[in-house]
Amino acid sequence: AQSVTQPDIHITVSEGASLELRCNYSYGATPYLFWYVQSPGQGLQLLLKYFSGDTLVQGIKGFEAEFKRSQSSFNLRKPSVHWSDAAEYFCAVGVPGGDKIIFGKGTRLHILP
Amino acid sequence: ETGVTQSPTHLIKTRGQQVTLRCSSQSGHNTVSWYQQALGQGPQFIFQYYREEENGRGNFPPRFSGLQFPNYSSELNVNALELDDSALYLCASGPSGSDTQYFGPGTRLTVL
Repeated sequence: AQSVTQPDIHITVSEGASLELRCNYSYGATPYLFWYVQSPGQGLQLLLKYFSGDTLVQGIKGFEAEFKRSQSSFNLRKPSVHWSDAAEYFCAVGVPGGDKIIFGKGTRLHILP
Repeated sequence: ETGVTQSPTHLIKTRGQQVTLRCSSQSGHNTVSWYQQALGQGPQFIFQYYREEENGRGNFPPRFSGLQFPNYSSELNVNALELDDSALYLCASGPSGSDTQYFGPGTRLTVL
């Protein structure tokens, strides 16, 4: 069965600093991979997705993620965070042609001014 | 192009009652999925509908049921509410042939 691990429950970075959020997945083949962001009291917004091809994926809001098959990882990065990036970030995995997306428990990002 | 919308925004029920949550899919999308997000957790898949039929189900009891209508709107019904049903319920839609799901803002259900 597929699973997703986000090892960091909370991360705090200073505004302008770089960011990396970790995500590891478990699945027998190459899954579909997603990063979503959720602001307090809001739904989920898709940041980026990986289905196949180039392992470095560009998303919205200046985010990117890199798929590393050997490490079963899909880490999210941003070179310089803004105060508006403070939110909860969810990594998720989907089975190609499947019905559901499996989410990690999320990482709460805090931004210091 | 309108996004996914859900109603109501918030809802308070008491244990044992029944509730219906509604979702309007994004234009052009014909699959709809429902997720439950408990406080401090990631969303958990409840079920998916495609062409008005259940297309997959997560680990939720039968008292969670759904409908999808010809206009691709959808309902989630929960019977015999329990305290643990308190959560944010998210609806997501996606176009046929795509594995990407787009989420609505959610309905916050509180069971007292």
